[in-house]
Amino acid sequence: DGGITQSPKYLFRKEGQNVTLSCEQNLNHDAMYWYRQDPGQGLRLIYYSQIVNDFQKGDIAEGYSVSREKKESFPLTVTSAQKNPTAFYLCASSPGTGWYEQYFGPGTRLTVT
Amino acid sequence: GENVEQHPSTLSVQEGDSAVIKCTYSDSASNYFPWYKQELGKRPQLIIDIRSNVGEKKDQRIAVTLNKTAKHFSLHITETQPEDSAVYFCAASYGNQFYFGTGTSLTVIP
Repeated sequence: DGGITQSPKYLFRKEGQNVTLSCEQNLNHDAMYWYRQDPGQGLRLIYYSQIVNDFQKGDIAEGYSVSREKKESFPLTVTSAQKNPTAFYLCASSPGTGWYEQYFGPGTRLTVT
Repeated sequence: GENVEQHPSTLSVQEGDSAVIKCTYSDSASNYFPWYKQELGKRPQLIIDIRSNVGEKKDQRIAVTLNKTAKHFSLHITETQPEDSAVYFCAASYGNQFYFGTGTSLTVIP
């Protein structure tokens, strides 16, 4: 299960606080992704990055922010502007975009109360 | 954007029977269709994928078929085993983004 890691596994925050989820990969992959998984809704794309210092919004980017300062790292910040932040967050990476398999991290379950 | 629909949402089969999960997509530009298996509490893992220049692909007990004209693709699992019990997701992709179906929870009854 090595290669792409996320920490922590469980995260609890009070409403109104920003929180940053970590995602690191040692696969030398160019592309990285953040998804949100809610029951019955599959995986929805938040942000993706094809190369360092570049990232694009996905379908549900509002209330989230990312950075890609290093190839290995793609942290996601859940801001207080996100209306319903409690969810399971999955990070993924792939060698490139298009016809490439995505490798997923183990996920972070965020609970905001 | 792309819209992927997946059916059924839940599926129960007897051990040894076959299971079929179907997905449809809306964007004819999609050209890569992976299937992921997610066991409870674990990360999704690729089990099989198919590209738009191929109509069918098989890997042991798992097969995927693609009908580009009708814009649908299906996962077939034969001789199901209890360890096949999991949530299965289809996806459609072109370029930079993947669009996932809502998942099928498969239960194989021993």
